[in-house]
Amino acid sequence: DAGVIQSPRHEVTEMGQEVTLRCKPISGHNSLFWYRQTMMRGLELLIYFNNNVPIDDSGMPEDRFSAKMPNASFSTLKIQPSEPRDSAVYFCASSLLQGARNEQFFGPGTRLTVL
Amino acid sequence: DQQVKQNSPSLSVQEGRISILNCDYTNSMFDYFLWYKKYPAEGPTFLISISSIKDKNEDGRFTVFLNKSAKHLSLHIVPSQPGDSAVYFCASTGTASKLTFGTGTRLQVTL
Repeated sequence: DAGVIQSPRHEVTEMGQEVTLRCKPISGHNSLFWYRQTMMRGLELLIYFNNNVPIDDSGMPEDRFSAKMPNASFSTLKIQPSEPRDSAVYFCASSLLQGARNEQFFGPGTRLTVL
Repeated sequence: DQQVKQNSPSLSVQEGRISILNCDYTNSMFDYFLWYKKYPAEGPTFLISISSIKDKNEDGRFTVFLNKSAKHLSLHIVPSQPGDSAVYFCASTGTASKLTFGTGTRLQVTL
């Protein structure tokens, strides 16, 4: 299995531009998570989906952020318009929920820089 | 409000010695705890976990201890190796899905 795939790996954009991050979860997994990593706050959960349905988006910072999961093999995280404070590493993770066990498998991340 | 805290941002240990990484949590509803390891330019990878019904779980050189009354868990690595140098995140969950992560501790194992 290729693991969780994220694209692009690096993104540099200017303030005000739209940014779209992409994620392909591990085949067969039923949950997908978007995280943001910063020095100050560590790994923050932005939103997660279960069976393609958004379950908890309370971590989404503001309306500029949106996420979709049109099918079991693809998700996007969009920032529009982007701001310099959005600069961070964004991770996608997937898991197969089995009782209490909740091992999440992470992608390599997208490093976003907003100038 | 940080529900999971790793108060030591960094730790340096000599090769062969024990590394002890600490984590505190505030939410008494958390009942499953995990440690993840992260190398630069990679995503975190699962290392070891423990359920709240246990107080210790061991996997090779890695042991996680849970003290529920103190809401504290720790990760012991014995003996430490240079390849263990990474950032370690503890995470907790009280539901089937959502993990809450700490801010991470950077471990450096020196020769």
